[in-house]
Order: sequence, then structure tokens, then C-alpha cells
Amino acid sequence: DAGITQSPRHKVTETGTPVTLRCHQTENHRYMYWYRQDPGHGLRLIHYSYGVKDTDKGEVSDGYSVSRSKTEDFLLTLESATSSQTSVYFCAISDSGANVLTFGAGSRLTVL
Amino acid sequence: GENVEQHPSTLSVQEGDSAVIKCTYSDSASNYFPWYKQELGKRPQLIIDIRSNVGEKKDQRIAVTLNKTAKHFSLHITETQPEDSAVYFCAALLPFGNEKLTFGTGTRLTIIP
Repeated sequence: DAGITQSPRHKVTETGTPVTLRCHQTENHRYMYWYRQDPGHGLRLIHYSYGVKDTDKGEVSDGYSVSRSKTEDFLLTLESATSSQTSVYFCAISDSGANVLTFGAGSRLTVL
Repeated sequence: GENVEQHPSTLSVQEGDSAVIKCTYSDSASNYFPWYKQELGKRPQLIIDIRSNVGEKKDQRIAVTLNKTAKHFSLHITETQPEDSAVYFCAALLPFGNEKLTFGTGTRLTIIP
């Protein structure tokens, strides 16, 4: 669906454990983004990538790291998950720099 | 950076009536303003967008207006239908190589049959 998939779609983990979320696209788009969605906060940008190995921070990047070794994959890592990182995480892609984002289906992460 | 405020946070309208959602932005350099719709349990999807060189854009029952002087833009939905029930997000984009959309906090629209 829309050439973008996220995995896992649901994950429950414990505080202090590492977590990696994967975003995979088949559209060959240059730009990839990770957002988190929380009630009352809308969609907030965590990190984004404008090419292979080219990434930059968003507004809520603390506690998160990313990697993009291939055009099609963008990984979001929580080195040591905390309860405040319980959220729904959306990956998005764009071929023209945040103009017309296509979102993935989302990954619901619960940190106990 | 950019800051986008969105109002109201919830909105209920009778089926067939119109709905208006308003957003204000802080940086006058922003030049692209999309609206995304997110149905319950689904991903956000672009429904309409407008650029700063245009004052209004329409697509069937939805329209967006932009007032650059006041730095606000609005989404208008006419003849509302049950399938319009969703959360709507506005956003603003700064140019000059900044590829980061700033989203508003969302409006939950409920259409009452």
C-alpha cells in the first residue's frame, strides 16, 4: 500500500531496552521522515533523511537515533526506551522535500 | 523555527452543514501549507494544499484559504458527510532548504447524522 511499510506494527517493551523500528519504501524517494504522534501534540518530527547517510534532527530528537544505509530503508533506534517514548510512530516519504508526504501505516510502541 | 497553532481541537457539526478549521503560523517565510486527514486507526493522508502565491484553492467540497498578511490559513468543508469524520492536521513549510513540515495539533471533526 503506497509503497511504504513499517515494522513492527506493534511492540511492547520494557524500560531500558533498545528498540529499532524499520521503514521500507519501494518508491525510490529521496526524503524519509520519522514522526511521533501523541494526543494533544499532533505529529512531531523526530529525524529525517535527505539521502543515503544524510540525516538531520527534528524537533524531538533526544533519545532517538537514525540510520539510512540504503535508499529504501530508514531505521529509528531508541537506545534505551523510556515510558515517555510510548507513542505511535509514523514514517513518511517524499520525493520533493516535505512537499506531499506519504505516510506509512504507523508503529505503536508501548514502553512499560 | 516555525510554530503552527490549530483551532478548534474538536468540532461537531450536523451532516450537511459546513465546517471550518483555522491555523496560524509564526514565520512569514513559510510558503507551503498542506492539510492532512487521518481517519480512525489509519495513516494521515494529504487532502489539499496551497502555496503562498495563491489565496484560495478548491477541490469539490473542500477549500483552503490563505491570508499571508495575518499569517493564517483555513480549511473549509461544505455539505459535510459522515465520511468527513476524522482528525485534520494543518502544516506549514519553511523554504530555503528546510525540508521539515511543522504540523498543528489536530482537529477532531465529528459529523452528526
